[in-house]
Amino acid sequence: AQSVTQLDSHVSVSEGTPVLLRCNYSSSYSPSLFWYVQHPNKGLQLLLKYTSAATLVKGINGFEAEFKKSETSFHLTKPSAHMSDAAEYFCVVRNTGGFKTIFGAGTRLFVKA
Amino acid sequence: GAGVSQSPRYKVAKRGQDVALRCDPISGHVSLFWYQQALGQGPEFLTYFQNEAQLDKSGLPSDRFFAERPEGSVSTLKIQRTQQEDSAVYLCASSLDIGGTEAFFGQGTRLTVV
Repeated sequence: AQSVTQLDSHVSVSEGTPVLLRCNYSSSYSPSLFWYVQHPNKGLQLLLKYTSAATLVKGINGFEAEFKKSETSFHLTKPSAHMSDAAEYFCVVRNTGGFKTIFGAGTRLFVKA
Repeated sequence: GAGVSQSPRYKVAKRGQDVALRCDPISGHVSLFWYQQALGQGPEFLTYFQNEAQLDKSGLPSDRFFAERPEGSVSTLKIQRTQQEDSAVYLCASSLDIGGTEAFFGQGTRLTVV
């Protein structure tokens, strides 16, 4: 069975400081992992994906995530937050070769000026 | 169109009414997903189509929910005898590849059952 746990429901950072959004997963098989962002009144947008290639994955808008199998984690980071990063972020897991996609509950990122 | 289009954007239904929600995926996209997103929660998987074939419907919550994609393009999610717990945003996503490693989402249909 697959599951995703986003460890923080809310994260607040100051503009220009680093961002860390934490995600742990459980999967019976080799997983594919994703991060999506959802801005108000906009559709979900893919930030980055891990599909068994390089464990450090770079995405759009300066975000990156590292797949750590030993820790079953896929945390999302960004060196310097921007006001436009304020949004809801979802960590997602899918078993490789499968179709059922499991979303985490989401982490809302607040960015203070 | 340039993206995934869903209609209507908003739907209010009386309890017991049937509703149909439409998804127009990006042209040529093989994979199509439906999700249900309740307020304050992450999207929950409902069903997956590969072209016209419904390969996974394990997330449909009851037999009142039915989805189809008869020609491998437009998809319709139908909910019969709606109940208040069906109130949610219904999201559609499509992907060029089989399995949907990069899925593009529509803006969703917000269903309110009163």
